[in-house]
Amino acid sequence: AQSVTQPDIHITVSEGASLELRCNYSYGATPYLFWYVQSPGQGLQLLLKYFSGDTLVQGIKGFEAEFKRSQSSFNLRKPSVHWSDAAEYFCAVGDGSSNTGKLIFGQGTTLQVKP
Amino acid sequence: NAGVTQTPKFRVLKTGQSMTLLCAQDMNHEYMYWYRQDPGMGLRLIHYSVGEGTTAKGEVPDGYNVSRLKKQNFLLGLESAAPSQTSVYFCASWNRTGGFNEQYFGPGTRLTVT
Repeated sequence: AQSVTQPDIHITVSEGASLELRCNYSYGATPYLFWYVQSPGQGLQLLLKYFSGDTLVQGIKGFEAEFKRSQSSFNLRKPSVHWSDAAEYFCAVGDGSSNTGKLIFGQGTTLQVKP
Repeated sequence: NAGVTQTPKFRVLKTGQSMTLLCAQDMNHEYMYWYRQDPGMGLRLIHYSVGEGTTAKGEVPDGYNVSRLKKQNFLLGLESAAPSQTSVYFCASWNRTGGFNEQYFGPGTRLTVT
């Protein structure tokens, strides 16, 4: 069965510091991978997605993620965090082989940014 | 385009009461989904629909019913609310045309059952 694990429930970084949020997935075939961000009281906004091709994908707001098949990982990175990046981040995997479009989400990582 | 909208934004119910959450999308998407979000558990799929008139169970369907009478609307019903259904509910839609694209999410409905 598909699953997604985000090992870090809560991360605190200083403004201007680099950020890496971890995501590990379990899926038999090539996964479709997503990172979503949720600001407090808001819905989910797509940051970036990976379907195939270049394993380093660029997203909005200066985020990037790298797909590593050997490690079953899709970690999210940002070189310099801004206070406005404080939010909850969700990694998700989609079953591209089905006709349902269903996504499996990780538990989420809450990012706190210190001034 | 408004995208995906949800009604209401907030609601407080007493145990045993019923209610319906409405999701509407104006993107002509075939697929629609209802998720619930609880602390530390991410988003879990309740029910979904792959087209008008069709519905299917997701990961946590118990206590909920859904209907998709019109392509643009997806309704989530709670017949007899329980405190365990206190959660934030998100609706999403998806267009399969052109490949496996991202789901688009509504702003959520915060439901409290006392």
